[in-house]
Amino acid sequence: AQKVTQAQTEISVVEKEDVTLDCVYETRDTTYYLFWYKQPPSGELVFLIRRNSFDEQNEISGRYSWNFQKSTSSFNFTITASQVVDSAVYFCALHAGNNRKLIWGLGTSLAVNP
Amino acid sequence: DVKVTQSSRYLVKRTGEKVFLECVQDMDHENMFWYRQDPGLGLRLIYFSYDVKMKEKGDIPEGYSVSREKKERFSLILESASTNQTSMYLCASGFHRVIHEAFFGQGTRLTVV
Repeated sequence: AQKVTQAQTEISVVEKEDVTLDCVYETRDTTYYLFWYKQPPSGELVFLIRRNSFDEQNEISGRYSWNFQKSTSSFNFTITASQVVDSAVYFCALHAGNNRKLIWGLGTSLAVNP
Repeated sequence: DVKVTQSSRYLVKRTGEKVFLECVQDMDHENMFWYRQDPGLGLRLIYFSYDVKMKEKGDIPEGYSVSREKKERFSLILESASTNQTSMYLCASGFHRVIHEAFFGQGTRLTVV
């Protein structure tokens, strides 16, 4: 079975705090892709990152970083020095094997307060 | 920039009406998807299409149908709208042969009264 779990439903932080959003996935396929999307209050999902199963290097993009660990089947997302504009719902998703579709987590709602 | 455009941002329809939600993409993507998003339930796939005139049921196809007559357009049809179909509907598109990100439209918030 393929599954994505985002255990944190809601997180609230104060601006400038660091925050980590957890994502745990399940798949028996050896080839798969993991994604993070951001959904701001405007509603449109915005792609943040794609990572394939053969690339375990961590990724950093400005204040955003991702930690991919196959040993724990996790693909966690950290925002450093959070800002109010980071307030959004963040989704983790999995694409595995010959599946044509993405498997989505339920999302984590992040509120960054001034 | 890739553009996925949904015909309406907000829609209010009456119970029993036939409702059409339209989605157009301009990147020649093979795959197109319709999701609905509800609080606490995340994104649930209704239908998807990987080619013109091809469609596959997603996780919650009941009460919906789709049409893909042209590559760039994917329509979601509610044959007889019901109040439990009040939701946010999201369209997405993506390449088929390359596992790449899906691009999303801005969403249609449908209210059935």
